[in-house]
Amino acid sequence: QVQLQESGPGLVKPSETLSLTCTVSDGSIGSYYWTWIRQPPGKGLDYIGYISYSGGTNYNPSLNSRVTISIDTSKNQFSLKLSSVTAADTAVYYCTRFAWGQNWFDPWGQGTLVTVSS
Amino acid sequence: QSALTQPASVSGSPGQSITISCTGTSSDVGGYNFVSWYQQHPGKAPKLMIYDVSNRPSGVSNRFSGSKSGNTASLTISGLQAEDEADYYCSSYTTSSARVFGGGTKLTVL
Repeated sequence: QVQLQESGPGLVKPSETLSLTCTVSDGSIGSYYWTWIRQPPGKGLDYIGYISYSGGTNYNPSLNSRVTISIDTSKNQFSLKLSSVTAADTAVYYCTRFAWGQNWFDPWGQGTLVTVSS
Repeated sequence: QSALTQPASVSGSPGQSITISCTGTSSDVGGYNFVSWYQQHPGKAPKLMIYDVSNRPSGVSNRFSGSKSGNTASLTISGLQAEDEADYYCSSYTTSSARVFGGGTKLTVL
């Protein structure tokens, strides 16, 4: 069973850029669509966006101007950058995947809490 | 895109059945048979329970079932067990190829 692991700073200052990486345990990075989802404390899930194995992207329109998702197939990793963060971006960030022609997310990483605070 | 609408909470006694609704629009739930459901226990990552409206992944109990009518999808849990107490989220594909989630429903097993 593939495992996904998020990594990155747990604390980011307001107005700075949040950067996270998701490492995929097997060689499937070249076969799926890789997705970021977040969950503010005590709230629901929020779709951020995805990147395909070939580099195509789709972002949540509400975050589109601040989000960049990239992929490095040589390292079995994909990354999230979210610019100009505010306290509203404080959340647990999850990475997950879906296959072409499929529309469900499985499996998920364990999630990583990112707090935006000075 | 607006979040899908779910009831904030539902409850039931052990052995009973409950249904959680997920209402969207013709641009998401109503337009595609691409609704999935996730179970999330406190402090844990979401777990896939239903995909493509009514399909169960291997390993998920057949007590969980899904359906859809128009712009509303539903998750039914029969024979409620204490371990089913969790938050449940629906998700749908959308016309912009993005995905959208419901606000989540807290299931309490009385």
